[in-house]
Amino acid sequence: GAGVSQSPSNKVTEKGKDVELRCDPISGHTALYWYRQSLGQGLEFLIYFQGNSAPDKSGLPSDRFSAERTGGSVSTLTIQRTQQEDSAVYLCASSQSGVPGNEQFFGPGTRLTVL
Amino acid sequence: TQLLEQSPQFLSIQEGENLTVYCNSSSVFSSLQWYRQEPGEGPVLLVTVVTGGEVKKLKRLTFQFGDARKDSSLHITAAQPGDTGLYLCAGNPLSDYKLSFGAGTTVTVRA
Repeated sequence: GAGVSQSPSNKVTEKGKDVELRCDPISGHTALYWYRQSLGQGLEFLIYFQGNSAPDKSGLPSDRFSAERTGGSVSTLTIQRTQQEDSAVYLCASSQSGVPGNEQFFGPGTRLTVL
Repeated sequence: TQLLEQSPQFLSIQEGENLTVYCNSSSVFSSLQWYRQEPGEGPVLLVTVVTGGEVKKLKRLTFQFGDARKDSSLHITAAQPGDTGLYLCAGNPLSDYKLSFGAGTTVTVRA
């Protein structure tokens, strides 16, 4: 497709279970970003990939969160032992490069609900 | 605390009225961006301002970047119901590639 796609669009899970969220960036975009959006709190930066490398993981809230990117394309964000406070919309964005100010194109997000 | 403070948090106006959304920070930004987000979708970039004092117009939307590059505003003239959405400002503080977002302003335009 032409835009950033994410799957699943909605995920409901039980506390303590692991979840995997997937992001397909725009073809050719070398930079990929994950954000978390909670109600009334804007977007919170989680992690940034340049190619397959993650030079900045500082936004990951805890060691239960991890992410990888393979082939310079698809990325997965994994949350282990989910907690209720992990409930949020997880957004992925990609840009042509990691140059500050480059337009980031966002996917529709995955809404995660932890019961 | 947010690096970028947006105000107001909520705005509800009648069709045809004007509105202004503010985005303020104590930090200097190399550029500021404005996004609009609709329910169930990701944010979509409206504009990027890069020069202090810059004013950009996009149809009925006017964006301004403060002289000191610490603040920005979005003004909508003669708002229409199609302008309803969450407006987010975002920017890269100097020497930082990370995009920081404000908490957003939810705008509702009533027909």
